[in-house]
Amino acid sequence: KQEVTQIPAALSVPEGENLVLNCSFTDSAIYNLQWFRQDPGKGLTSLLLIQSSQREQTSGRLNASLDKSSGRSTLYIAASQPGDSATYLCAVSLDRGSTLGRLYFGRGTQLTVWP
Amino acid sequence: EAGVAQSPRYKIIEKRQSVAFWCNPISGHATLYWYQQILGQGPKLLIQFQNNGVVDDSQLPKDRFSAERLKGVDSTLKIQPAKLEDSAVYLCASSFPDNEAFFGQGTRLTVV
Repeated sequence: KQEVTQIPAALSVPEGENLVLNCSFTDSAIYNLQWFRQDPGKGLTSLLLIQSSQREQTSGRLNASLDKSSGRSTLYIAASQPGDSATYLCAVSLDRGSTLGRLYFGRGTQLTVWP
Repeated sequence: EAGVAQSPRYKIIEKRQSVAFWCNPISGHATLYWYQQILGQGPKLLIQFQNNGVVDDSQLPKDRFSAERLKGVDSTLKIQPAKLEDSAVYLCASSFPDNEAFFGQGTRLTVV
């Protein structure tokens, strides 16, 4: 069974700091890994998707890395802003035939960036 | 491109009542998922459809939950009868089978 763990559970920082959010997973036979953002009362917005053959993906101030063999991913947020305040969720899909695409989620990191 | 549509956004019911949620996926996405997200936790898969067939419902409490995807497009998720512990956000997502999942806004269910 795939277990996904995210550290820290919560993070509060002043505006402008560079941040690292951590995600680990127990089954390294993943197909891909996604980072999502969730605002209070809202659905999930996909931020970055990393295929199992890739090492990292970048979008604007966000950079996600993947070390499949060690079961780890990090989400790096540069120059954080108050608008980045949200819960960040890590999810992996396993390379499992017909159930390909099913996502296993961590509990998330609740980020607060204060002015 | 229109996103995944869900309704209603919010629902409050008494325990033992029934409730239904509706999802319209992104056009062309063959795979549809229903996830349950309890407060403070990550989403957990309830059921996965490929077109109109079920590929994974191992975590669906089948004594009270049911779901269908007629004609391989829209889907409904039903709970009957509801329990207090069913209070959660129900998220619908769709994707091509081997690609990025897109989520709807979710339905927040409160059972009192």
